[in-house]
Amino acid sequence: EVQLVESGGGLVKPGGSLRLSCAASGFTFSSYSMNWVRQAPGKGLEWVSSISSSSSYIYYADSVKGRFTISRDNAKNSLYLQMNSLRAEDTAVYYCARGGVVTAFPFDYWGQGTLVTVSS
Amino acid sequence: QSALTQPASVSGSPGQSITISCTGTSSDVGGYNYVSWYQQHPGKAPKLMIYDVSNRPSGVSNRFSGSKSGNTASLTISGLQAEDEADYYCSSYTSSSTQVFGTGTKVTVL
Repeated sequence: EVQLVESGGGLVKPGGSLRLSCAASGFTFSSYSMNWVRQAPGKGLEWVSSISSSSSYIYYADSVKGRFTISRDNAKNSLYLQMNSLRAEDTAVYYCARGGVVTAFPFDYWGQGTLVTVSS
Repeated sequence: QSALTQPASVSGSPGQSITISCTGTSSDVGGYNYVSWYQQHPGKAPKLMIYDVSNRPSGVSNRFSGSKSGNTASLTISGLQAEDEADYYCSSYTSSSTQVFGTGTKVTVL
């Protein structure tokens, strides 16, 4: 059974940093692209970033480019999102989502999400 | 990258069919056959319902179908059931190699 479990969310002050993790199991993690998708309270889904299976291809939404860094450790079956210079508008539930083998999409499995709150 | 445009809400009675539209541009929806649809119940993670415009993942009811014409993709739910009441989001690959979601549609079963 495919499982994605996010962790690392919490309350952080504006300008602060946070590192999210996503532990994957039930599939060959090293074969799949992975993504981060977020959802602000009461709002819609927003794609944040994607990373290919070997980390060769990495893409970011304009809203986080230069502040967020996606990475993965295939030996540990883990996906990460380093978030720096956080702003109030980054407050959201952050989901990790599995992409495809060849492409970063579609997002066929999702974690339960971890809440990030940016507030003073 | 601007969000794809979806109607805020769509409603229908049990057994009816409804269609949700998703309008983008030639740089996303119109340029690629990489449109997906996701269903999200309150407090839950999204679930993939349709991928590559019209393909259903294993386990998704055949009451859900997808199509595309020009810059607009559509999701049709036939034989509407109470359990279909949820938020629905489209998404598309873009010419920048990124993904963009739609604004979301709340489906209400009357």
